[in-house]
Amino acid sequence: EVQLVEFGGGLVQPGRSQRLSCTGSGFTFDDYAMHWVRQAPGKGLEWVSGISWNSASIGYADSVKGRFTITRDNAKNSLYLQMNSLRPEDMALYYCARDFEVRAAHFGAFDVWGQGTMVIVSS
Amino acid sequence: SYELTQPPSVSVSPGQTASITCSADKLGDRFAFWYQQKPGQSPVLVIYQDNRRPSGIPERFSGSSSGNTATLTISGTQAIDEADYYCQAWDISTPVIFGGGTKLTV
Repeated sequence: EVQLVEFGGGLVQPGRSQRLSCTGSGFTFDDYAMHWVRQAPGKGLEWVSGISWNSASIGYADSVKGRFTITRDNAKNSLYLQMNSLRPEDMALYYCARDFEVRAAHFGAFDVWGQGTMVIVSS
Repeated sequence: SYELTQPPSVSVSPGQTASITCSADKLGDRFAFWYQQKPGQSPVLVIYQDNRRPSGIPERFSGSSSGNTATLTISGTQAIDEADYYCQAWDISTPVIFGGGTKLTV
């Protein structure tokens, strides 16, 4: 079964850091670009960051650029999001998502999603 | 910045056809994607590359795109189709963009 599982959410104070992890299984992890997408409570979807299958291409939303860093470890089938200088507006359910095309030349859409991990930013 | 505009809500009677639009400048020149999200669940890709259905998505879901508008159409809408629907596209400035979402009431 193709699956993504996120870890690392929780309560964090404004200005502090948090690291999210996502582990993929049931597919060849290093064949796909991977992404983080977030959803604030009661709000819509917001793409946060994406990384190509070989880490050669990385993108960020303007709202997190300079504060968040996406990385991956294909040997561990894992995706990470290092979040620094967290703000109350970063509070959201963070989804890990797989790009729908194998070794795509550019970011596309998301055909597999995890269940999400909640990040609460509050003092 | 490039923005995708969706109606906040659409209502449809069971068995009828629901159409959800997504509008942006020259959206027809790029691929549109559609997701379904039910309460408490992760999004599900229902249409990719304007009009293609992933395996497992019922045939009543279809998509089209032309000019400035992409449209998700649900034929013979069922109660189980009640959900939030999001369109998504690419843009050179922000690689991935989502519309604000449309709540479909059946």
